[in-house]
Formats: sequence, C-alpha cells, structure tokens
Amino acid sequence: AQKVTQAQTEISVVEKEDVTLDCVYETRDTTYYLFWYKQPPSGELVFLIRRNSFDEQNEISGRYSWNFQKSTSSFNFTITASQVVDSAVYFCALSEPNSGNTPLVFGKGTRLSVIA
Amino acid sequence: EPEVTQTPSHQVTQMGQEVILRCVPISNHLYFYWYRQILGQKVEFLVSFYNNEISEKSEIFDDQFSVERPDGSNFTLKIRSTKLEDSAMYFCASRGQIQETQYFGPGTRLLVL
Repeated sequence: AQKVTQAQTEISVVEKEDVTLDCVYETRDTTYYLFWYKQPPSGELVFLIRRNSFDEQNEISGRYSWNFQKSTSSFNFTITASQVVDSAVYFCALSEPNSGNTPLVFGKGTRLSVIA
Repeated sequence: EPEVTQTPSHQVTQMGQEVILRCVPISNHLYFYWYRQILGQKVEFLVSFYNNEISEKSEIFDDQFSVERPDGSNFTLKIRSTKLEDSAMYFCASRGQIQETQYFGPGTRLLVL
C-alpha cells in the first residue's frame, strides 16, 4: 500500500534561514512518481516538482532544492534563504502509474511559517 | 498558461440539499479527478475519471456522490444529500495522457449547515 509521511507538522523559521521539509514514502511499485505541492493561505494547490523513481538526480530551482534518495525512501525539500512569501502548507505526494488512473496519495502536510 | 477552473469558489448549503460542483479541466487533458480537504487535514482522493467513466474511487465516494462530464469541457461532482461532514474544500484536477503531473483547480469551499 502507498503511504506518504511528513513527520513535521509545523515549522517556524526566521526570514533568510534555510529550512528542510521531510517526506518519507512507502510503495511496492518500482515505478512511481513523487511530487511536492504548495498550499498558500489562499487555499489553492500549486505544483512545485515531479520526480520519477528512475531519476535520483537532485534538482535545484532558484531557492528551492529537492533531495531524492531511494535508499531511504525520502524526497526532502529545502528552501534556502526563506522569505515570508514561502509561508504555506507543503504537501508531498506519491502516485503509482501501474496502479490504474494514478490518484495522488498525499502526506498530511507541513505548515511552514516564515517570520520577518 | 492553461489552468483548471472551478465554480463556485464558495458554496453554503443546508444539510440534505443537493450540490453540484463544477470544474473545467485543462482542454487537452484526458484524466480527471476530484479530491477533498477537510479543514486543516490532508488532501484525500475521491474519484478518477477517464473515457467517460469512473476508473477508481475511494471509500469516501459513496452512493451520495456522482460525477459527470456532461459536455466536452465541464466535469461535475454532485453530492445528492449533503451532510455536515461533507464540509470541506473540493479540488478538481486534470492531467494529460503522457505527463503524470496533476494540475489542480483553485477549489470550491463547501460549507454544510
């Protein structure tokens, strides 16, 4: 069965600090996709990144970076030099394309508060 | 940039009433989804839809729920007789055939009184 665990419920940092959001997943499939979505206070879900299980290269996009490690079943997300606008709930999610019409399984989310 | 749209943004209804939530997926997408998020909780899968039929549904998606694609653009979620516990944010999502990224609409916040 698929499962996504985000152990950090809430994190508070001061602006300009770096912060890492943890995500651990469980799946029996060898082919799967991992995602991060951002949910700002306005409520919408904003897609940030998708990673497939065969691509363990880390990715950097501006102040955002992602560390995918199959050995530990983790897909962690780091924000460098955090800003107040980064305050949001961040969800990690998993889908298994070989398991039908690939619904996403979400973690419970991590609420990040960046204080000025 | 194409996006998923949802209407209404907010809906307040009385318990027992029927509600229809509407979504317009991205135009060349083929796979459609409904998810819900009870306040402060995680996003939960309700149903997926492809080729004019339901492909998967969760245990939440009971007989009170139905989905339809009445024309070439809209994708609707109907709740026949709303309960207090149906109060949540409902998200529609769509994806294209090749990409595995689901893009979400802005959500409909449903409040059942």
